[in-house]
Amino acid sequence: EIVMTQSPATLSVSPGERATLSCRASQSVSSNLAWYQQKPGQAPRLLIYGASTRATGIPARFSGSGSGTEFTLTISSLQSEDFAVYYCQQYNKWPPITFGQGTRLEIK
Amino acid sequence: EVQLVESGGGLVQPGGSLRLSCAASGFTFSSYNMNWVRQAPGKGLEWVSYISSSSGTIYYANSVKGRFTISRDSAKNSLYLQMNRLRDEDTAVYYCARVLGEVAVGWGQGTLVTVSS
Repeated sequence: EIVMTQSPATLSVSPGERATLSCRASQSVSSNLAWYQQKPGQAPRLLIYGASTRATGIPARFSGSGSGTEFTLTISSLQSEDFAVYYCQQYNKWPPITFGQGTRLEIK
Repeated sequence: EVQLVESGGGLVQPGGSLRLSCAASGFTFSSYNMNWVRQAPGKGLEWVSYISSSSGTIYYANSVKGRFTISRDSAKNSLYLQMNRLRDEDTAVYYCARVLGEVAVGWGQGTLVTVSS
């Protein structure tokens, strides 16, 4: 099973600033990595797939990068609606599909 | 509009059974693979089960294998999860998700399953 590890667990950033979230895989997942955003009381929403392709309707301030075992989600200028929990997920070698434990992005 | 609506959650005793349903609309259900994903209270996401569009390929997480059964009915545009021999650790919100290329492109709002005596 591929283990996904996200860091940091909590990230405090001011609105308008840049946020950088990391995700590491225990073995290479190529570019088969997705990012999801989850707000309190809501279902997750797909942001990024293929490590760097934005899903339909996702603003350009969200960008993904990386391949192999190291991945980054960058939010270029944080808006109030971006404060949420973010999960990475690998789909290179499955089952099982595996998620990271999440990064909580909070207002500083 | 694409919609996934889960139902069937509730309170059940350990060892009991429950059947979750997911009603799909706004897309061609028979063309999509589907997942069940769960989230324990205050915890992260855990993949539970996958079913291909034809029902020809089915996978389960080790934590539910032998206890849960995924199925679908394209005539009813519905996905199901039969959960037997429930345990305390199965307590979670259960989401159904539409899958495209192994990526969950759309999620329902979830249904809460509580296993407790």
